[in-house]
Amino acid sequence: NAGVTQTPKFRILKIGQSMTLQCTQDMNHNYMYWYRQDPGMGLKLIYYSVGAGITDKGEVPNGYNVSRSTTEDFPLRLELAAPSQTSVYFCASSYLAIPEAFFGQGTRLTVV
Amino acid sequence: AQTVTQSQPEMSVQEAETVTLSCTYDTSESNYYLFWYKQPPSRQMILVIRQEAYKQQNATENRFSVNFQKAAKSFSLKISDSQLGDTAMYFCAFMKQTNNNDMRFGAGTRLTVKP
Repeated sequence: NAGVTQTPKFRILKIGQSMTLQCTQDMNHNYMYWYRQDPGMGLKLIYYSVGAGITDKGEVPNGYNVSRSTTEDFPLRLELAAPSQTSVYFCASSYLAIPEAFFGQGTRLTVV
Repeated sequence: AQTVTQSQPEMSVQEAETVTLSCTYDTSESNYYLFWYKQPPSRQMILVIRQEAYKQQNATENRFSVNFQKAAKSFSLKISDSQLGDTAMYFCAFMKQTNNNDMRFGAGTRLTVKP
């Protein structure tokens, strides 16, 4: 019963490097989300998807890209890492009929 | 756009006592959901309680209950008989009941339960 799985759990990037944060859910949820949580702050929505092939911007999309080729996977891409992207990233999923978001364990990303 | 405001950055309570965390929100939507999530030091986000906006009755889950005031756009969380394990960040969240299920969070309240 995996739920929402994020990898990696921790990562250190150098400025200008690229990386992809992976997110997979096995609950057949149609909605998936990426949030970032800065120290002492709430979660801010980066991107979300309402189904395979459909993505949309949230509050803070700049510097990120996403894709949703399957129901299960929703990777988040950082193309040119910047110190401002140092944060904890959470992936979540939900189902229209069940108004509750299920979260992964988070990825702590540090850009130096 | 929906906004969620938690005006208490930090709170503390003695073990076994009751504490209330405040949350207000702003929306033009009629149909939506409200949530309280708990984030312990493990970082995992855990759903504490959910309220449907169309329901007048306040939601209750064991020691956790809410005071939902739709007209005032207020959604407070009451924790009764506080336990040491309740120490965590608590986030209020709003979700539209539309085809995008957009969910927005407040900045959080750090709750410390003291022995």
